[in-house]
Amino acid sequence: NAGVTQTPKFQVLKTGQSMTLQCAQDMNHNSMYWYRQDPGMGLRLIYYSASEGTTDKGEVPNGYNVSRLNKREFSLRLESAAPSQTSVYFCASSERGGPNEQFFGPGTRLTVL
Amino acid sequence: AQSVTQPDIHITVSEGASLELRCNYSYGATPYLFWYVQSPGQGLQLLLKYFSGDTLVQGIKGFEAEFKRSQSSFNLRKPSVHWSDAAEYFCAVGGGTSYGKLTFGQGTILTVHP
Repeated sequence: NAGVTQTPKFQVLKTGQSMTLQCAQDMNHNSMYWYRQDPGMGLRLIYYSASEGTTDKGEVPNGYNVSRLNKREFSLRLESAAPSQTSVYFCASSERGGPNEQFFGPGTRLTVL
Repeated sequence: AQSVTQPDIHITVSEGASLELRCNYSYGATPYLFWYVQSPGQGLQLLLKYFSGDTLVQGIKGFEAEFKRSQSSFNLRKPSVHWSDAAEYFCAVGGGTSYGKLTFGQGTILTVHP
């Protein structure tokens, strides 16, 4: 039981390049989330998926797109990376929304040059 | 809009000393409150959570937190800190209508001196 897994762990991009961050969970959770973490700002929600087939914007969605591929997988795509997107990205999942605990992956450290 | 404030960016304590990390929230209804811990280079791990009922909640690793509605606070405490508690701590708030969307505080970095 791996929990929430993310790939890659580290990535360096040049401005304008695109990439997809992958996330998968094996806990049969309905809801999945993408956050970014920047020093002194805590975690900010980028997008979330309340259930399979639905996605919604969070606090900082600009420059990102997401796909809920199936119940297990939720990917985050940067179409044209910018230095402002240098951050640590965390995927999380929960049984459903509301008061349920969110389980976090180990993170992807992304640098955009 | 919901928000969380952790007033202390960095706290240093000696091993064996008591600890209190402050968290103040703003939320229009009954909040769901969480404390997470993040060790360097790791993801976040849940320490404890409050949904309803007893306002003093116990968590893992000997941590506890008290929900005080009148003060809009949810402070984290530990009676005796261990060197392994050195990490960054995040308070988060959510609620029923926000459907699982958590708002996190800025985090408090805890340093433990031997």
